[in-house]
Amino acid sequence: DAGVTQSPTHLIKTRGQQVTLRCSPKSGHDTVSWYQQALGQGPQFIFQYYEEEERQRGNFPDRFSGHQFPNYSSELNVNALLLGDSALYLCASSSGLAVSYEQYFGPGTRLTVT
Amino acid sequence: AQSVTQLGSHVSVSEGALVLLRCNYSSSVPPYLFWYVQYPNQGLQLLLKYTSAATLVKGINGFEAEFKKSETSFHLTKPSAHMSDAAEYFCAATTDAGGTSYGKLTFGQGTILTVHP
Repeated sequence: DAGVTQSPTHLIKTRGQQVTLRCSPKSGHDTVSWYQQALGQGPQFIFQYYEEEERQRGNFPDRFSGHQFPNYSSELNVNALLLGDSALYLCASSSGLAVSYEQYFGPGTRLTVT
Repeated sequence: AQSVTQLGSHVSVSEGALVLLRCNYSSSVPPYLFWYVQYPNQGLQLLLKYTSAATLVKGINGFEAEFKKSETSFHLTKPSAHMSDAAEYFCAATTDAGGTSYGKLTFGQGTILTVHP
């Protein structure tokens, strides 16, 4: 049973560019959440997708956008990259929206902005 | 607003010693609480969770945590540390505030556990 997968593993971009990160949820899961983990910090919630809609959003600017596809996979897009966007981006999947459901995390995408 | 505080960014223990990682939360409604472990260059793995059932929660790898409402704490313990426990540990919380939280996790800053032989 495949867990949560993310691609790419590492990415280097230049300030001002745009980036797309991808996530495939664990089999049987329909909800995907994205988190940003800066170096030495705990993960920060970006947003969550369920039924192809953004259900909740954290305190991130509109430069951060996402999408969920009918097969429940998801993309995170970041426009006009800033140096401060350098971080590990984690995708987590779960089944349904109930808060007690466990969230399973992928290995993350390490984004470096130069 | 909900917040999670982990006391001590670094904890060092000897192999075989007790592990105690501290977590305090702030929430206006009953929280759901989690402990995650992160090994270098990896994602987060769930150790255990509290979802308003038993206050003493047992997890994987011999870890357990106790929910103490009066102290707003959810400290993680393990009776005997093993070298393989060296990692970073995160406490996280979420709430079901009228069904609108949808599992948004608020994380603490993390505690790096070092285990000495």
